[in-house]
Amino acid sequence: SAVISQKPSRDICQRGTSLTIQCQVDSQVTMMFWYRQQPGQSLTLIATANQGSEATYESGFVIDKFPISRPNLTFSTLTVSNMSPEDSSIYLCSGLSPLGGEQYFGPGTRLTVT
Amino acid sequence: AQKVTQAQTEISVVEKEDVTLDCVYETRDTTYYLFWYKQPPSGELVFLIRRNSFDEQNEISGRYSWNFQKSTSSFNFTITASQVVDSAVYFCALMITRGGNKLTFGTGTQLKVEL
Repeated sequence: SAVISQKPSRDICQRGTSLTIQCQVDSQVTMMFWYRQQPGQSLTLIATANQGSEATYESGFVIDKFPISRPNLTFSTLTVSNMSPEDSSIYLCSGLSPLGGEQYFGPGTRLTVT
Repeated sequence: AQKVTQAQTEISVVEKEDVTLDCVYETRDTTYYLFWYKQPPSGELVFLIRRNSFDEQNEISGRYSWNFQKSTSSFNFTITASQVVDSAVYFCALMITRGGNKLTFGTGTQLKVEL
């Protein structure tokens, strides 16, 4: 199984600032995804991170607010821009195994916006 | 559109009791995968099982077992002889391969196992 790490593990940020979250996979994955989990809620897909091209965003999420990069097969970043308290969530990245449907998750980044 | 329903918001049991977490899904696709994940208080999402739509065999792994029934679109999860360490939020999820391998999650079931 793939091991996925995220940095930072948590952060407290001020309104109006931006934070970039890094996701590193220890082995190649075919696809990478970013999810958001608001307090006490389920996970919602933000976007699919595409290698070398623009991410594919889900309804309700836009590139200006959540720019994503994936320069290679094992690394991706998500930026939460111009943050507001409503962005306080856990942000998780995941990778899809090339061997078939398993999707593994990073430990998450717990973001608090004040 | 895909949908996953976990009707049980919270379940409390006493240690050593058996507990079943329900999951009902909706999809028009014939090829899909179903998952269960565990999210302990620390927050990480732990993969428990993946089942594809063509494999209806039930599976047992230690104290965990899963019952997949396509006729009722259900994929229920049973913990036998529950332990305090089983306390967590459990998510059922559905993945459609045709739809870009994106996971659709249920709302989760909070399981509390008490002494």
